[in-house]
Amino acid sequence: GNSVTQMEGPVTLSEEAFLTINCTYTATGYPSLFWYVQYPGEGLQLLLKATKADDKGSNKGFEATYRKETTSFHLEKGSVQVSDSAVYFCAPEDSNYQLIWGAGTKLIIKP
Amino acid sequence: DTGVSQNPRHKITKRGQNVTFRCDPISEHNRLYWYRQTLGQGPEFLTYFQNEAQLEKSRLLSDRFSAERPKGSFSTLEIQRTEQGDSAMYLCASSSPTRGGQNTGELFFGEGSRLTVL
Repeated sequence: GNSVTQMEGPVTLSEEAFLTINCTYTATGYPSLFWYVQYPGEGLQLLLKATKADDKGSNKGFEATYRKETTSFHLEKGSVQVSDSAVYFCAPEDSNYQLIWGAGTKLIIKP
Repeated sequence: DTGVSQNPRHKITKRGQNVTFRCDPISEHNRLYWYRQTLGQGPEFLTYFQNEAQLEKSRLLSDRFSAERPKGSFSTLEIQRTEQGDSAMYLCASSSPTRGGQNTGELFFGEGSRLTVL
């Protein structure tokens, strides 16, 4: 069946460090791929998305590229801030356009 | 656009009691989803509606859970005879179809309703 695998957290970095959160998935076809973020005390919100191979989604300095060959959608940011501390979820769609959710990766940024 | 609204935000109840949560989606969003989330986990799908029709319900969902969307706008999620294992955050999300007419995984979430069963 369809599934998603993310880096286990927490990931702890210092401010201005480079961030990578790995995400790989299994799915039939070529699903759209999403990263959602959940800030402390807030609801889930869409961070970025990519709908076809080689697309790059970007938002708030974060980027992720749809890699069909490796079925991956790794999240990157060049210089993280304390305000980026949150839980990040990689979520591909299944064939019914429903999202597949993993456990998320908690990111802690220290000043 | 006021976003997805859920209430109550917090509910504490005793085991065996019934609880009801309400979700008001973004207006004109045709799909409405209910998820459950426990600490350290991702959202777990419960059910979804397209307009007033309930199109899918998780097989993991006990028959103590029921959801309605009577007029295709707001939705309610009722849990009967609550158990301690029902303690979780209940999330509601809505979506609208793309120009191609297909709903995608781009969901708009509310802030959730936290249930504590004592």
